[in-house]
Amino acid sequence: DAGVIQSPRHEVTEMGQEVTLRCKPISGHNSLFWYRQTMMRGLELLIYFNNNVPIDDSGMPEDRFSAKMPNASFSTLKIQPSEPRDSAVYFCASIIRLTGKAFFGQGTRLTVV
Amino acid sequence: GDSVTQMEGPVTLSEEAFLTINCTYTATGYPSLFWYVQYPGEGLQLLLKATKADDKGSNKGFEATYRKETTSFHLEKGSVQVSDSAVYFCALSLDRDDKIIFGKGTRLHILP
Repeated sequence: DAGVIQSPRHEVTEMGQEVTLRCKPISGHNSLFWYRQTMMRGLELLIYFNNNVPIDDSGMPEDRFSAKMPNASFSTLKIQPSEPRDSAVYFCASIIRLTGKAFFGQGTRLTVV
Repeated sequence: GDSVTQMEGPVTLSEEAFLTINCTYTATGYPSLFWYVQYPGEGLQLLLKATKADDKGSNKGFEATYRKETTSFHLEKGSVQVSDSAVYFCALSLDRDDKIIFGKGTRLHILP
């Protein structure tokens, strides 16, 4: 298995532009998480899905952020419009339900200028 | 609410030194506890886990014991190597859902 696949690996965009991050979880995993990592705040859980249904989105910073999981093999995190304070590394992780063992992608480094 | 607190870094040690990274938790119920490691430029990966009180998780020479009485899960290694340089995250998960709550991470530097 190729593991959790995220794209792009790096994204540089101008303030105000729309950004879409993509994630392909490991086949057979029931739950998917989106995290944001910064030096200041560490690793923050943004949202997680179970069986493609959003369960907890309380970590989504504001309405500019949205996430979807249209099927078991694909999820997106969208920021519109983007702002410089959104610059961070965004990780996607998938997990077999109730095992606690999460598999992380390599992350997308987002820079908003 | 549920949370994890771990010691601030960076921690800098010489090769072959003894390592301890402290971790304490607050949780309603009985969590499973984890240590994850993040090498430069990569995502987190599970290092070890313990699912109930007094369990000891171990992997790659690292150990941690689930201490319910002190709500702690300290990470230890007897002799560190340069290749252990990374960021270490303590985490918990509750049986009621899959949410994993991470500490802020501790950066470890090992000098040759």
